[in-house]
Amino acid sequence: DSGVTQTPKHLITATGQRVTLRCSPRSGDLSVYWYQQSLDQGLQFLIHYYNGEERAKGNILERFSAQQFPDLHSELNLSSLELGDSALYFCASSVGGTVRPTGDQYFGPGTRLLVL
Amino acid sequence: QKEVEQDPGPLSVPEGAIVSLNCTYSNSAFQYFMWYRQYSRKGPELLMYTYSSGNKEDGRFTAQVDKSSKYISLFIRDSQPSDSATYLCAMSAGYTGNQFYFGTGTSLTVIP
Repeated sequence: DSGVTQTPKHLITATGQRVTLRCSPRSGDLSVYWYQQSLDQGLQFLIHYYNGEERAKGNILERFSAQQFPDLHSELNLSSLELGDSALYFCASSVGGTVRPTGDQYFGPGTRLLVL
Repeated sequence: QKEVEQDPGPLSVPEGAIVSLNCTYSNSAFQYFMWYRQYSRKGPELLMYTYSSGNKEDGRFTAQVDKSSKYISLFIRDSQPSDSATYLCAMSAGYTGNQFYFGTGTSLTVIP
C-alpha cells in the first residue's frame, strides 16, 4: 500500500457529463500529480500541484481541471466527457515540489473511468 | 513518433527463465531512466532507476542503458510467478521539470 488514496475506484458515466476524481496524498507529501493511463497512449502526465499551487502542466485537455486544497487533497474535474476519456486516472504524491528524476513518486490505486 | 516506444507483449515465460524487457526513445536529452512495475488493478511502483549510460543491478534485476543507441533494457533473472505484472519504462531529462515520459508497458506472465 503506497499510502495514496483515490476515490472512487470505478466510475461509469455518459458522454457530456462531468465527474470529479479525488486523491489524498501520503501523509507529509506536499505534491500531487495526476496521470491518465490508456492502452494506446500509456501513462501520460496531466498536471502537478505543490502545496496548493499549480506547478506544471502536461497533456491536459482544456475540459479537464484540477485543484489542491489546504488539506492537500486534490480533485481532478473532467467535463464534457467523451468516449475517448475512458481510462485509468492515477494520482501520485511526493514530498517535495519536484519529483527527483529518479522517480520517487508514490502512486495511488487509480480510478477507472468508463464513458458510455 | 512517440517519445518512448515499448513492446506491449504480452510476454509469457516459464519460472526460472531470464526475461528481457526493452524500450527505445528518441529524445537525446533524457538522462534518467526508470522502470516501474504495475500489478493488476494497482498503481505503478518504482523498481529501479539508472542515470546516463551503464548497468545497475539490484538483486535479480539489472537495468541497462545504451544512450548511443537510445535503448534501455531490464533483465530479470530466475523469474518468479510473483514477477507477473506490467513493466513500464520511464524517462526524464533531469531536474528542470517534472515531465516523465512513460512507455505503454510490457505485460509479463511467469508460468510456474
